[in-house]
Amino acid sequence: DSGVTQTPKHLITATGQRVTLRCSPRSGDLSVYWYQQSLDQGLQFLIQYYNGEERAKGNILERFSAQQFPDLHSELNLSSLELGDSALYFCASSPVAGGDTQYFGPGTRLTVL
Amino acid sequence: QKEVEQDPGPLSVPEGAIVSLNCTYSNSAFQYFMWYRQYSRKGPELLMYTYSSGNKEDGRFTAQVDKSSKYISLFIRDSQPSDSATYLCAMRPIQGAQKLVFGQGTRLTINP
Repeated sequence: DSGVTQTPKHLITATGQRVTLRCSPRSGDLSVYWYQQSLDQGLQFLIQYYNGEERAKGNILERFSAQQFPDLHSELNLSSLELGDSALYFCASSPVAGGDTQYFGPGTRLTVL
Repeated sequence: QKEVEQDPGPLSVPEGAIVSLNCTYSNSAFQYFMWYRQYSRKGPELLMYTYSSGNKEDGRFTAQVDKSSKYISLFIRDSQPSDSATYLCAMRPIQGAQKLVFGQGTRLTINP
């Protein structure tokens, strides 16, 4: 158990809908990262927050957004969902912004029908 | 071309064998190198972390980095059926964004 928690574990929704994925980092970790894992693209970095502020952006679609709250939990919002958004979404955390050791949560499996 | 290339396998070996997993990369700025293990439908678990070139050993696992060849390896000695998983290499530069760039992952099966 990495200490990173993610909810929900599974999410099934329809195209065009909006969903919110939640992540609680390890106790004391200030940095949160979101990744998407699909069969064809592998594990891809989406976005990083550090102590409430956006720190880095990767291949995140404009339909996706994230935020980190004062209690350091983070949410990833996915809107206007498409079939191709079906994937595993992982959250990771590290103690500092330059976290070399990122600890991953169990993931949320999103299925868009 | 992807920044990090990793043979997806699958790789199947008998129990007790030495396993060699490899990644090549193209970005010479990469300085931090990691290996993650991912069991089916679980999150990646950090196995090994290496900075720059050299070797690092932890129990049955040895990580090697050859920056001159842009090549990293993970060796598993005395492999066990419980080592069956997907192994992902990951790396990032010392400066700039802290995002990890992952290889595709190699699916490994250890047969009893």
